[in-house]
Amino acid sequence: SQQGEEDPQALSIQEGENATMNCSYKTSINNLQWYRQNSGRGLVHLILIRSNEREKHSGRLRVTLDTSKKSSSLLITASRAADTASYFCATESKAAGNKLTFGGGTRVLVKP
Amino acid sequence: ETGVTQTPRHLVMGMTNKKSLKCEQHLGHNAMYWYKQSAKKPLELMFVYNFKEQTENNSVPSRFSPECPNSSHLFLHLHTLQPEDSALYLCASSHFAGSDSNQPQHFGDGTRLSIL
Repeated sequence: SQQGEEDPQALSIQEGENATMNCSYKTSINNLQWYRQNSGRGLVHLILIRSNEREKHSGRLRVTLDTSKKSSSLLITASRAADTASYFCATESKAAGNKLTFGGGTRVLVKP
Repeated sequence: ETGVTQTPRHLVMGMTNKKSLKCEQHLGHNAMYWYKQSAKKPLELMFVYNFKEQTENNSVPSRFSPECPNSSHLFLHLHTLQPEDSALYLCASSHFAGSDSNQPQHFGDGTRLSIL
Protein backbone atom coordinates (compact mmCIF):
# COMPACT_ATOMS: atom_id res chain seq x y z
CA SER A 1 0.00 0.00 0.00
CA GLN A 2 1.14 3.56 -0.58
CA GLN A 3 2.95 4.99 2.41
CA GLY A 4 3.28 8.63 1.42
CA GLU A 5 0.50 10.58 -0.23
CA GLU A 6 1.04 14.13 -1.41
CA ASP A 7 -1.54 16.85 -1.43
CA PRO A 8 -2.38 18.63 -3.66
CA GLN A 9 -1.73 16.53 -6.75
CA ALA A 10 -1.10 19.69 -8.76
CA LEU A 11 -0.34 23.29 -7.91
CA SER A 12 -0.10 26.36 -10.15
CA ILE A 13 1.36 29.59 -8.81
CA GLN A 14 2.91 32.84 -10.00
CA GLU A 15 6.63 33.45 -9.77
CA GLY A 16 7.48 34.99 -6.42
CA GLU A 17 4.66 33.27 -4.55
CA ASN A 18 5.18 30.53 -1.99
CA ALA A 19 4.27 26.93 -2.73
CA THR A 20 3.23 24.51 -0.02
CA MET A 21 2.64 20.81 -0.42
CA ASN A 22 1.83 18.17 2.14
CA CYS A 23 2.61 14.51 2.64
CA SER A 24 0.78 12.06 4.85
CA TYR A 25 1.93 8.58 5.77
CA LYS A 26 0.62 5.61 7.66
CA THR A 27 3.33 3.88 9.72
CA SER A 28 6.12 5.01 12.02
CA ILE A 29 9.15 6.20 10.10
CA ASN A 30 12.93 6.45 10.45
CA ASN A 31 12.99 9.52 8.24
CA LEU A 32 11.07 11.34 5.53
CA GLN A 33 12.70 12.67 2.38
CA TRP A 34 11.63 15.12 -0.31
CA TYR A 35 12.74 14.79 -3.91
CA ARG A 36 12.26 16.91 -7.03
CA GLN A 37 11.88 15.57 -10.55
CA ASN A 38 12.09 17.75 -13.62
CA SER A 39 10.39 16.53 -16.76
CA GLY A 40 12.35 13.71 -18.39
CA ARG A 41 14.94 13.60 -15.63
CA GLY A 42 15.68 11.56 -12.54
CA LEU A 43 14.82 12.44 -8.96
CA VAL A 44 16.98 14.89 -7.09
CA HIS A 45 17.20 14.68 -3.31
CA LEU A 46 16.18 17.91 -1.56
CA ILE A 47 15.93 17.35 2.19
CA LEU A 48 15.96 14.45 4.65
CA ILE A 49 14.27 14.97 8.01
CA ARG A 50 14.65 12.38 10.74
CA SER A 51 11.79 11.21 12.92
CA ASN A 52 13.14 13.13 15.93
CA GLU A 53 13.38 16.40 14.01
CA ARG A 54 10.53 18.87 13.53
CA GLU A 55 11.82 21.35 11.00
CA LYS A 56 14.67 21.71 8.51
CA HIS A 57 15.70 24.42 6.11
CA SER A 58 17.74 24.38 2.93
CA GLY A 59 17.93 27.63 1.01
CA ARG A 60 14.37 28.52 -0.03
CA LEU A 61 13.04 25.16 1.17
CA ARG A 62 11.46 24.54 4.54
CA VAL A 63 10.31 21.09 5.64
CA THR A 64 8.26 20.33 8.72
CA LEU A 65 7.47 16.95 10.24
CA ASP A 66 4.65 16.17 12.65
CA THR A 67 4.98 12.55 13.71
CA SER A 68 1.83 12.74 15.87
CA LYS A 69 -0.19 13.54 12.75
CA LYS A 70 2.02 11.44 10.48
CA SER A 71 2.43 14.33 8.10
CA SER A 72 5.07 16.57 6.57
CA SER A 73 5.01 19.74 4.55
CA LEU A 74 7.40 21.23 2.01
CA LEU A 75 7.38 25.00 1.57
CA ILE A 76 9.15 26.66 -1.34
CA THR A 77 9.46 30.38 -0.73
CA ALA A 78 9.75 33.05 -3.44
CA SER A 79 9.21 30.50 -6.19
CA ARG A 80 10.94 30.73 -9.53
CA ALA A 81 10.02 29.34 -12.95
CA ALA A 82 12.91 26.88 -12.50
CA ASP A 83 11.05 25.37 -9.53
CA THR A 84 8.52 23.91 -11.98
CA ALA A 85 8.76 20.18 -11.36
CA SER A 86 7.13 17.25 -9.60
CA TYR A 87 7.86 16.93 -5.91
CA PHE A 88 7.79 13.59 -4.11
CA CYS A 89 7.90 12.64 -0.49
CA ALA A 90 9.40 9.31 0.47
CA THR A 91 9.42 7.58 3.82
CA GLU A 92 11.96 5.14 5.20
CA SER A 93 10.37 2.85 7.75
CA LYS A 94 11.07 -0.42 9.52
CA ALA A 95 7.64 -1.60 8.38
CA ALA A 96 8.88 -1.37 4.80
CA GLY A 97 12.16 -3.08 5.56
CA ASN A 98 14.01 0.25 5.80
CA LYS A 99 13.40 0.89 2.11
CA LEU A 100 12.07 4.12 0.65
CA THR A 101 8.36 4.24 -0.20
CA PHE A 102 7.35 7.08 -2.50
CA GLY A 103 4.12 8.98 -2.81
CA GLY A 104 2.45 9.92 -6.08
CA GLY A 105 3.92 13.42 -6.14
CA THR A 106 2.75 17.01 -6.49
CA ARG A 107 3.15 18.67 -9.88
CA VAL A 108 4.11 22.29 -9.40
CA LEU A 109 3.87 24.86 -12.19
CA VAL A 110 5.43 28.25 -11.55
CA LYS A 111 4.27 30.77 -14.11
CA PRO A 112 6.63 33.64 -14.98
CA GLU B 1 23.51 15.30 -11.52
CA THR B 2 26.23 13.22 -13.19
CA GLY B 3 27.00 10.89 -10.26
CA VAL B 4 24.66 8.18 -11.55
CA THR B 5 24.67 7.51 -15.29
CA GLN B 6 22.10 5.40 -17.10
CA THR B 7 22.26 4.15 -20.66
CA PRO B 8 20.52 4.15 -22.99
CA ARG B 9 18.26 7.14 -22.30
CA HIS B 10 15.60 5.79 -24.64
CA LEU B 11 14.87 2.25 -25.78
CA VAL B 12 12.20 0.90 -28.09
CA MET B 13 11.95 -2.85 -28.34
CA GLY B 14 9.62 -5.56 -29.49
CA MET B 15 8.18 -8.08 -27.12
CA THR B 16 10.54 -10.82 -28.29
CA ASN B 17 13.75 -8.78 -28.08
CA LYS B 18 16.45 -9.07 -25.44
CA LYS B 19 18.07 -5.87 -24.25
CA SER B 20 19.92 -4.60 -21.20
CA LEU B 21 19.81 -1.36 -19.27
CA LYS B 22 23.02 -0.14 -17.68
CA CYS B 23 23.64 1.98 -14.61
CA GLU B 24 26.96 3.25 -13.31
CA GLN B 25 27.61 5.30 -10.19
CA HIS B 26 30.73 7.32 -9.40
CA LEU B 27 29.79 8.23 -5.84
CA GLY B 28 31.49 5.44 -3.92
CA HIS B 29 28.15 4.04 -2.80
CA ASN B 30 27.58 0.44 -1.76
CA ALA B 31 23.86 0.12 -2.47
CA MET B 32 22.13 0.30 -5.84
CA TYR B 33 18.47 0.17 -6.77
CA TRP B 34 16.18 -0.29 -9.75
CA TYR B 35 12.84 1.53 -9.76
CA LYS B 36 9.97 1.56 -12.26
CA GLN B 37 8.07 4.80 -12.82
CA SER B 38 4.81 4.48 -14.72
CA ALA B 39 2.36 7.23 -15.53
CA LYS B 40 -0.06 8.02 -12.72
CA LYS B 41 1.56 5.51 -10.32
CA PRO B 42 4.03 6.02 -7.48
CA LEU B 43 7.62 5.01 -7.97
CA GLU B 44 7.91 1.23 -7.56
CA LEU B 45 11.02 -0.38 -6.08
CA MET B 46 12.10 -3.42 -8.11
CA PHE B 47 15.49 -4.59 -6.83
CA VAL B 48 18.04 -3.64 -4.18
CA TYR B 49 21.70 -4.60 -4.09
CA ASN B 50 23.91 -4.08 -1.05
CA PHE B 51 27.62 -4.70 -1.49
CA LYS B 52 26.84 -6.54 -4.77
CA GLU B 53 24.37 -8.89 -3.05
CA GLN B 54 20.69 -8.77 -3.97
CA THR B 55 18.74 -8.00 -0.83
CA GLU B 56 15.35 -7.22 -2.33
CA ASN B 57 13.26 -8.55 -5.16
CA ASN B 58 9.93 -6.83 -4.92
CA SER B 59 7.90 -9.57 -6.63
CA VAL B 60 9.27 -8.58 -10.01
CA PRO B 61 8.45 -10.89 -12.97
CA SER B 62 11.31 -13.07 -14.14
CA ARG B 63 11.38 -11.30 -17.52
CA PHE B 64 13.39 -8.66 -15.60
CA SER B 65 16.78 -10.00 -14.52
CA PRO B 66 19.17 -7.78 -12.56
CA GLU B 67 22.93 -8.15 -12.40
CA CYS B 68 25.39 -6.35 -10.14
CA PRO B 69 28.99 -7.29 -11.02
CA ASN B 70 30.45 -4.72 -8.61
CA SER B 71 29.33 -1.88 -6.36
CA SER B 72 29.59 0.65 -9.19
CA HIS B 73 27.63 -1.11 -11.92
CA LEU B 74 24.09 -2.40 -12.16
CA PHE B 75 22.33 -3.96 -15.12
CA LEU B 76 18.74 -4.84 -15.85
CA HIS B 77 18.39 -7.55 -18.48
CA LEU B 78 15.08 -7.53 -20.31
CA HIS B 79 13.49 -10.46 -22.15
CA THR B 80 10.03 -11.08 -23.56
CA LEU B 81 8.56 -7.89 -22.13
CA GLN B 82 4.90 -6.92 -22.26
CA PRO B 83 3.36 -3.59 -23.35
CA GLU B 84 2.57 -2.78 -19.70
CA ASP B 85 6.30 -2.81 -19.01
CA SER B 86 6.65 0.47 -20.92
CA ALA B 87 7.84 2.96 -18.32
CA LEU B 88 10.76 5.03 -17.10
CA TYR B 89 13.30 2.81 -15.35
CA LEU B 90 15.36 4.64 -12.78
CA CYS B 91 18.56 3.54 -11.13
CA ALA B 92 19.64 4.94 -7.77
CA SER B 93 22.51 4.50 -5.35
CA SER B 94 23.18 5.26 -1.70
CA HIS B 95 25.84 4.60 0.88
CA PHE B 96 24.09 1.65 2.46
CA ALA B 97 20.66 0.11 2.37
CA GLY B 98 20.13 -1.05 5.92
CA SER B 99 18.65 -0.42 9.29
CA ASP B 100 18.03 3.24 10.09
CA SER B 101 20.47 4.23 7.40
CA ASN B 102 19.07 7.76 7.04
CA GLN B 103 20.79 8.06 3.70
CA PRO B 104 19.44 9.90 0.66
CA GLN B 105 19.39 8.17 -2.68
CA HIS B 106 20.98 9.57 -5.81
CA PHE B 107 19.15 8.90 -9.05
CA GLY B 108 20.15 8.64 -12.67
CA ASP B 109 18.03 10.25 -15.39
CA GLY B 110 16.44 6.94 -16.31
CA THR B 111 15.83 4.89 -19.41
CA ARG B 112 12.51 5.55 -21.16
CA LEU B 113 11.44 2.10 -22.32
CA SER B 114 8.73 1.55 -24.91
CA ILE B 115 7.52 -1.94 -25.76
CA LEU B 116 5.91 -2.35 -29.16
